[in-house]
Order: sequence, then structure tokens, then C-alpha cells
Amino acid sequence: QVQLVESGGGVVQPGRSLRLSCAASGFTFSNYAMHWVRQAPGKGLEWVAVILYDGNNKYYADSVKGRFAISRDNSKNTLFLQMSSLGPEDTAVYHCARALGHYGSGSYDPWGHGTLVTVSS
Amino acid sequence: QSVLTQPPSVSAAPGQKVTISCSGSSSNIGNNYVSWYQQLPGTTPKLLIYDNNRRLSGIPDRFSGSKSGTSATLGITGLQTGDEAHYYCATWDSSLSAGVFGGGTKLTVL
Repeated sequence: QVQLVESGGGVVQPGRSLRLSCAASGFTFSNYAMHWVRQAPGKGLEWVAVILYDGNNKYYADSVKGRFAISRDNSKNTLFLQMSSLGPEDTAVYHCARALGHYGSGSYDPWGHGTLVTVSS
Repeated sequence: QSVLTQPPSVSAAPGQKVTISCSGSSSNIGNNYVSWYQQLPGTTPKLLIYDNNRRLSGIPDRFSGSKSGTSATLGITGLQTGDEAHYYCATWDSSLSAGVFGGGTKLTVL
């Protein structure tokens, strides 16, 4: 079955960096755009970034532009999110999600269970 | 402040119908498809509706979606206590070149 499993979260000090991974299985990873979506504790959903199927096009939320970088390795069916200059506002559960149809459709299915990133000194 | 505006909460009795609105602009809802997500307490969001009004496989027909101009609506009929959850609308914003979510609506089934 289609499965997405995130890893790499943890507690990190403000200003430091962290790299998240998302291992995909059960589908042809290289055919799909992939997204990162985050949810701060007790808050709503916030879209973070998308990378198209071939990795040549990427888009970011203004809140992370210039600090986060999305990438993928289609040979390893893995999605990444490199996060730098982290601040307390980046504390959240980070989910990877597969695009359903066009990358700009707003449709994400399925979602991984997420990995918690806590930015704290 | 979310780009898409949803009411913070709605409520209705079991068996009744409820609608949840999602208001945007021409750069997002007005020119892009809308999706709806259900997030039960302590769980990962689940896609219910995509492309404005298409139900994902396995989603009961009690759930429906519609769009008119720069607004979209999620409808739920025959409310059940198990429908208590947060509901989010989502789309793409062509001006921002970014995905956007509504702030979420908490549904209470009284």
C-alpha cells in the first residue's frame, strides 16, 4: 500500500539546522509532486513547500523562503526538507504528502504521520 | 491570518446537516481547485473532497463540496458524533505561487 514515513525530527536550538526525510513506498515516487505541510501544536495546517516530480521546480511558503530547501532523490524514493536558521515559530509536526493530480490542486493524499520538530534552547 | 477564511466553529445535532464555508479571492479559490480535509482528534489530516466536488474513494456521500466564485463550501448531512473534527479547506494561490489552507473549522455534533 502507499506509505510515507517521515524521520529526522527532534529538539534543535534556535539558529541551527535540521534535515527531514520522507521515505515513500507503494507507488512510483518519480511520477508525483511531493509536499511538506506542518502543524504547530494546537494550531492549523500550514503548507510549507512543494517539489515537482523531476525535482526541477520548487515552491515555498513565504514564511520559510530562503531558509528551507526541498529536494528529492527519485532513485531512493525519498523526499527531503533541509531547514536552516530555525526559530521557535518553526516548532511543528512536519508531514510529507503526495500530490493528488496537479501539484497546484491543493490536494494531498496520502499524508505521512509526521515528525515533530521542536526549536528550543 | 490565513489566506482562506473559515468560521472557527460550527455545531449541529446528530442527523442534521451542516455547511462550512471557505472564502478566498480570485488568485486562489477563484481560479484553482479546492480540497477539503478532515482531522479527527490526535490524527493525521485526511482528504475528503478534491477538485471542488469530487469525493475521494471511500468517503461517504454524506460529504459534498461545491464552489462558486471565490468561495467554497463543504456540506455534511446525517451528522454523526464521529464527524466531530477540524475541517480545513485548501487550494493553490497563483499570486503567491504557494499552497494555502484555511484556518480550520471545529465541528461539534451536539
